[in-house]
Amino acid sequence: NAGVTQTPKFQVLKTGQSMTLQCAQDMNHEYMSWYRQDPGMGLRLIHYSVGAGITDQGEVPNGYNVSRSTTEDFPLRLLSAAPSQTSVYFCASSYFLQAAGGYGYTFGSGTRLTVV
Amino acid sequence: DAKTTQPPSMDCAEGRAANLPCNHSTISGNEYVYWYRQIHSQGPQYIIHGLKNNETNEMASLIITEDRKSSTLILPHATLRDTAVYYCIVRASYNQGGKLIFGQGTELSVKP
Repeated sequence: NAGVTQTPKFQVLKTGQSMTLQCAQDMNHEYMSWYRQDPGMGLRLIHYSVGAGITDQGEVPNGYNVSRSTTEDFPLRLLSAAPSQTSVYFCASSYFLQAAGGYGYTFGSGTRLTVV
Repeated sequence: DAKTTQPPSMDCAEGRAANLPCNHSTISGNEYVYWYRQIHSQGPQYIIHGLKNNETNEMASLIITEDRKSSTLILPHATLRDTAVYYCIVRASYNQGGKLIFGQGTELSVKP
C-alpha cells in the first residue's frame, strides 16, 4: 500500500498562474479532504469529499476548486494563484464513518507551494 | 465546536512521561476530545480520543477530568521520535464533513 500520495512535493508559481495539486490513495477510502497549513498555525480545511461525485466546501474554499471523478483521486485546483495561497497543502483520506467520527485519517506528506 | 487552550511549548526528558494538558472549559455534552500530533514537515497523525472515561492505546493515555473541562495526554515513556506538535481538538462525535479544527497546539521537545 502506498497510502496517500501527493504530487508535486514542491512548487513555485507566479501570481495568476493556475495549477493542480494531485492526491491519490489506494486504500479504497470514501472520504478525502484538503487542508492548508500556514507557518506557525494549525491546519484549515479547504474542501472535502465523501465519495466519488460528491464534494463540499470547508473553512477556506475561496480560490480553490475540486472534483472527485474516482474513489482514488482528489485533485485540488488553484484557479489564479495569489501570494496568500503560499502554504503547505495536505491531503487526507479515511473511511467515511471514521472520518465522521474524527479519527482514522491518513495524511499525505504535503505539497509546499510558494506563489511569487 | 468548543475552543481549546494548550501551552505553546513543553520539554520532556527522554524516557520520562510527557504530560500534555488541554483546557476545554466550554465543552458540551456530545463533544469528544481528540489528540493528533504532527512531526516536523509531515501530515498529522491520530493518537487517541475519548468522551469522559480515561482511554489508553498503544501510543498514549488520555485522562479527562470528571467535569470534562480539561484533559491530559500522557506519553508514558517519551522518546526523541515523540518530538512533535500536539493538537487537542474538541468536536462532536459525528461530523459528516469530517472536519477537524486544529489550533496552534503544543510543541513538545523530548531531550536526551
